[in-house]
Amino acid sequence: SQTIHQWPATLVQPVGSPLSLECTVEGTSNPNLYWYRQAAGRGLQLLFYSVGIGQISSEVPQNLSASRPQDRQFILSSKKLLLSDSGFYLCAWATGELHEQYFGPGTRLTVT
Amino acid sequence: SQQGEEDPQALSIQEGENATMNCSYKTSINNLQWYRQNSGRGLVHLILIRSNEREKHSGRLRVTLDTSKKSSSLLITASRAADTASYFCATGSPTYNQGGKLIFGQGTELSVKP
Repeated sequence: SQTIHQWPATLVQPVGSPLSLECTVEGTSNPNLYWYRQAAGRGLQLLFYSVGIGQISSEVPQNLSASRPQDRQFILSSKKLLLSDSGFYLCAWATGELHEQYFGPGTRLTVT
Repeated sequence: SQQGEEDPQALSIQEGENATMNCSYKTSINNLQWYRQNSGRGLVHLILIRSNEREKHSGRLRVTLDTSKKSSSLLITASRAADTASYFCATGSPTYNQGGKLIFGQGTELSVKP
């Protein structure tokens, strides 16, 4: 069966510090991968998606970046965090278009 | 850009009652999906309905889709306290479905009181 992992579960970082969030998927190959951010009490905002190794599409201009160094690994990064980067970050995968997405447990990031 | 809008934003009912949530969208779609999110957790996929379908059932869930009105509804019958969660609709559209992208609404917060 397929599983998706995210870590860390929670993170408190000072403004200006770097960020690295990792997402890995098991039990499937060549998935589409997605990073979302969710502000408190609101819907999901798609940040990045990837249809293959090294292929990243950015949805929202900001100081975040994403990379996919391996087929089932998706990393969200920042060189310098802003207060506005606080939120709940969710990784998801799907087998392709017109298919449901499966979400990881999320990382709650607080930038202080 | 905002695509799906859920209505109501919050809903409080008693156990055993039915809960109905609505979703409206703006552009043409090829599929619409409903997800549930328990507080502080990831989203769980509930049901997917394609643009050429009008109704779909899964256990106590019933989803309808009216493409002429650009709207969908999610009905949960005989609700339970465990159904307490936020419910989101998400749309996939030919205009932005590269990579299977979905646009999520703001969600309906459902509270089922025992």
